[in-house]
Amino acid sequence: DSGVTQTPKHLITATGQRVTLRCSPRSGDLSVYWYQQSLDQGLQFLIQYYNGEERAKGNILERFSAQQFPDLHSELNLSSLELGDSALYFCASSPGRLWETQYFGPGTRLLVL
Amino acid sequence: AQTVTQSQPEMSVQEAETVTLSCTYDTSESDYYLFWYKQPPSRQMILVIRQEAYKQQNATENRFSVNFQKAAKSFSLKISDSQLGDAAMYFCAYRSVGDDKIIFGKGTRLHILP
Repeated sequence: DSGVTQTPKHLITATGQRVTLRCSPRSGDLSVYWYQQSLDQGLQFLIQYYNGEERAKGNILERFSAQQFPDLHSELNLSSLELGDSALYFCASSPGRLWETQYFGPGTRLLVL
Repeated sequence: AQTVTQSQPEMSVQEAETVTLSCTYDTSESDYYLFWYKQPPSRQMILVIRQEAYKQQNATENRFSVNFQKAAKSFSLKISDSQLGDAAMYFCAYRSVGDDKIIFGKGTRLHILP
């Protein structure tokens, strides 16, 4: 158990809908990262927040957005969902920026029908 | 742009034997980290081992060790005394010291034969 929690574990929704994925980092960790794992694209970095501020962006679609709250938990919002958004979404955390290791949560499996 | 390549989509090894998973990467950076992550059927991403590029000594964690060849940009993972619990997808990954983004390879699925 990495100490990173993600809810929900599974999510099934329809195309065009909007969902919110939640992540609680390890106690004391200020950085939160979101990754997407899909069959065709593999594991890809989406976005990073550090102490409430966006720090880095990867291959994140405009339909997706994220935020980190004062209690350091983070939410990833996915809107206008398409079939291709079906994937495993991971959250990871680390104590600070540019830390040696990121600790991954168990992931949220999203299925868009 | 940095890339990570795992040329072996699948591998099999007999229980108690030794297996080596290959990984190559491409970067123009001189300072970076390399990782091997394990993803069992539970889908959890578990860090197996980490190597700092500035360290010449190969990292070791119990039955897991790496062969880091910086000039060749090669980073292989050796698993000794393979156990059934080692069956998983293994991802090689790269991170520049100056960047928080981890770049993953496509993975190698390892089967352990009893």
